[in-house]
Amino acid sequence: DPKIIQKPKYLVAVTGSEKILICEQYLGHNAMYWYRQSAKKPLEFMFSYSYQKLMDNQTASSRFQPQSSKKNHLDLQITALKPDDSATYFCASSQVRGDTQYFGPGTRLLVL
Amino acid sequence: GDSVTQTEGLVTLTKGLPVMLNCTYQTTYSPFLFWYVQHLNEAPKLLLKSSTDNKRTEHQGFYATLHKSSSSFHLQKSSVQLSDSALYFCALRTGGYKVVFGSGTRLLVSP
Repeated sequence: DPKIIQKPKYLVAVTGSEKILICEQYLGHNAMYWYRQSAKKPLEFMFSYSYQKLMDNQTASSRFQPQSSKKNHLDLQITALKPDDSATYFCASSQVRGDTQYFGPGTRLLVL
Repeated sequence: GDSVTQTEGLVTLTKGLPVMLNCTYQTTYSPFLFWYVQHLNEAPKLLLKSSTDNKRTEHQGFYATLHKSSSSFHLQKSSVQLSDSALYFCALRTGGYKVVFGSGTRLLVSP
């Protein structure tokens, strides 16, 4: 059974629209993360949460907003989508912040 | 600030040959390093992580030694296989337990 679920697996959006990427982990971890991977940047750290609190934010744009409704959920809301946002978005988790990270399968986003 | 440098973007080798992927770091805190591997169309996953200074850690035929004197944690394997073709990331745990990833090295192994 998958321990980290990301939905959807693939997503096509139009420029200017808004999407939410879902991440749920069933590892009992206390820290969760979002990363972005594209041809330009192999693995770009975006956010980290620890015990549902935002710890690090490396994303310059406020169009990207993480949302943690439950301890094992960390969704990513992206507003005013641009073609440049096209990438694979990985959610990850670790027992505690800084520990070994386990990555989800990713959501591949294409913005047209 | 804290950083990780992987100097090679791409390494190409014939199977059976040894490989070393470079990883150096900068931090003012006590370093803790990871190597993650990502195969094509898969998610990154942990390959191995550092132990104490000058102690080698091994997993699946890969090994690395943390050398604080040279701020390095190079990944090595004595004989690469076709299945080792992947993207390899070195990562550093910094003070405050933030993790910084390097830019990655793609390893291509040919028959």
